[in-house]
Amino acid sequence: AQSVTQLGSHVSVSEGALVLLRCNYSSSVPPYLFWYVQYPNQGLQLLLKYTTGATLVKGINGFEAEFKKSETSFHLTKPSAHMSDAAEYFCAVRGPNSGNTPLVFGKGTRLSVIA
Amino acid sequence: DAGVTQSPTHLIKTRGQQVTLRCSPKSGHDTVSWYQQALGQGPQFIFQYYEEEERQRGNFPDRFSGHQFPNYSSELNVNALLLGDSALYLCVSSLGPQAGYTFGSGTRLTVV
Repeated sequence: AQSVTQLGSHVSVSEGALVLLRCNYSSSVPPYLFWYVQYPNQGLQLLLKYTTGATLVKGINGFEAEFKKSETSFHLTKPSAHMSDAAEYFCAVRGPNSGNTPLVFGKGTRLSVIA
Repeated sequence: DAGVTQSPTHLIKTRGQQVTLRCSPKSGHDTVSWYQQALGQGPQFIFQYYEEEERQRGNFPDRFSGHQFPNYSSELNVNALLLGDSALYLCVSSLGPQAGYTFGSGTRLTVV
């Protein structure tokens, strides 16, 4: 079974500081990994995804994540936080296309950005 | 290009009642999945519909049922509502079961 653990339910950073949101996964098959962002009263928006190939993935709004198989991690980073980055962030895992498996989400990390 | 449309946006029901939530997928998408997001939690997979059939199901009781229509729209039905069914219900569409997902904004269900 696949699972995702997001370390830290709430992360607070100053505007302009580095953003680091942690995600570790468990999967018996090579996973596809995702980061989604959710603003209040909205659905989820895809930030970035890793399927195969390059392990450093760049997404929208300046975010990037690195797939580290040896550490079973897929941490999300952004060099400089903006006030508009304040939101809930979800890491998710999914089996590869060899099987039709649904997304399995972590519990989420709320990011606060302090002016 | 319209994205995923869900209705209603908010709903209040009483314990024991039944509820139907509706979803229109993004134009061109033929697969609909439903997720439940309880307060402070990540979304949890309920089930997926493709070609008008339930293709996969998560760990949810039979009180949760669904339907997909020939135009690919979908309904989620929940019977005998419990307080614990209070959540944001997200509809997700894709082109085929294994393609990328587009999320709707959700229906906020409150059971009192």
